[in-house]
Amino acid sequence: KNQVEQSPQSLIILEGKNCTLQCNYTVSPFSNLRWYKQDTGRGPVSLTIMTFSENTKSNGRYTATLDADTKQSSLHITASQLSDSASYICVVTTYNQGGKLIFGQGTELSVKP
Amino acid sequence: DTGVSQDPRHKITKRGQNVTFRCDPISEHNRLYWYRQTLGQGPEFLTYFQNEAQLEKSRLLSDRFSAERPKGSFSTLEIQRTEQGDSAMYLCASSPGGTGVYEQYFGPGTRLTVT
Repeated sequence: KNQVEQSPQSLIILEGKNCTLQCNYTVSPFSNLRWYKQDTGRGPVSLTIMTFSENTKSNGRYTATLDADTKQSSLHITASQLSDSASYICVVTTYNQGGKLIFGQGTELSVKP
Repeated sequence: DTGVSQDPRHKITKRGQNVTFRCDPISEHNRLYWYRQTLGQGPEFLTYFQNEAQLEKSRLLSDRFSAERPKGSFSTLEIQRTEQGDSAMYLCASSPGGTGVYEQYFGPGTRLTVT
């Protein structure tokens, strides 16, 4: 069964600190991995997309890594801000399935002042 | 604002009633997806369209659910005889489609509460 698992389930950090979120997947055949940010009550917004051949991708203070051999990804947030408080969801797609997304359960990040 | 709109944003209905949601994708996007998200979970795929053709339906989509995209533009998702377990956020997303890796742009969602 295609699955995406994330850890930790929730995380509280102080403003200005860094943090790293983890994602493991068993989706096959793998096409690409995405990280989304979802504010409460809103739709998800894409942060990064990585294909099989990409090991790292940055978007401002967000840096995602991918190890396709171990089927693991991480999202590193640098110098956190209060507005980073949200759910961060790891998403994987497979080939030949119309681009449908397979979501993890998300990591709920809370940044405190 | 991603350019994908959904209506209504919130819907409260009594068990047994029918409800219909609408999604307007980004105008040049060929693909339209519906997802369902329950509290504390990531979204789950329900169905998707390539233009007006519905190409895949999840097993989550029971026979009480039906989706249409009549002219390959907006889409509707109808739930008949709603049950309390249908309470969730219903998300719509669109993308350009075709081969290659494309971004999916999500709407703000419709929050359904069945009482």
